[in-house]
Amino acid sequence: AQSVTQPDIHITVSEGASLELRCNYSYGATPYLFWYVQSPGQGLQLLLKYFSGDTLVQGIKGFEAEFKRSQSSFNLRKPSVHWSDAAEYFCAVGAGFGNEKLTFGTGTRLTIIP
Amino acid sequence: DVKVTQSSRYLVKRTGEKVFLECVQDMDHENMFWYRQDPGLGLRLIYFSYDVKMKEKGDIPEGYSVSREKKERFSLILESASTNQTSMYLCASTNAGGLYGYTFGSGTRLTVV
Repeated sequence: AQSVTQPDIHITVSEGASLELRCNYSYGATPYLFWYVQSPGQGLQLLLKYFSGDTLVQGIKGFEAEFKRSQSSFNLRKPSVHWSDAAEYFCAVGAGFGNEKLTFGTGTRLTIIP
Repeated sequence: DVKVTQSSRYLVKRTGEKVFLECVQDMDHENMFWYRQDPGLGLRLIYFSYDVKMKEKGDIPEGYSVSREKKERFSLILESASTNQTSMYLCASTNAGGLYGYTFGSGTRLTVV
């Protein structure tokens, strides 16, 4: 069975500073990996995804993530955060075709201070 | 723009009531999902469906049932609502293979009193 760990419940970052949100997964084969963002009171929006190929993937809103098989990690990064990035971020892992069920982490809440 | 629409943003129901949460997608997606979201627990899968009239239990199906009579519509049913079912409910859909990720609805915040 697949699982996801987001070790940071809450992170506070100054506006303009860099950001890294951690995600570790457990899955026996090559996983499908996703990052989603949820603004208050809203559904989740897909930021980026990884299936295969280049291990550094680019997403929307200036985010990127790097797949590291040796560390079972898929950390999300942004070089300079904006106040509008304040939200909750979820990492998810899936098994792929024929098993489209995703398992989500518990989320990391990001607070931006001026 | 593709959409997943959940019929209600907020619902308040009484203990013991039968509750229907409706979800409609306009993307011709094969797969549809119901999750509940609680603080500190993330998203937990209740049920999913990979085809019309097909359904599978997720991680926390107790107290819930689902219906998928048409491809675009996936309903979550609380047979007898209880206070521990107070939560945010999120519907999502994806195509076969899931290569584009899930598209989520805006959620229904259900309060059972």
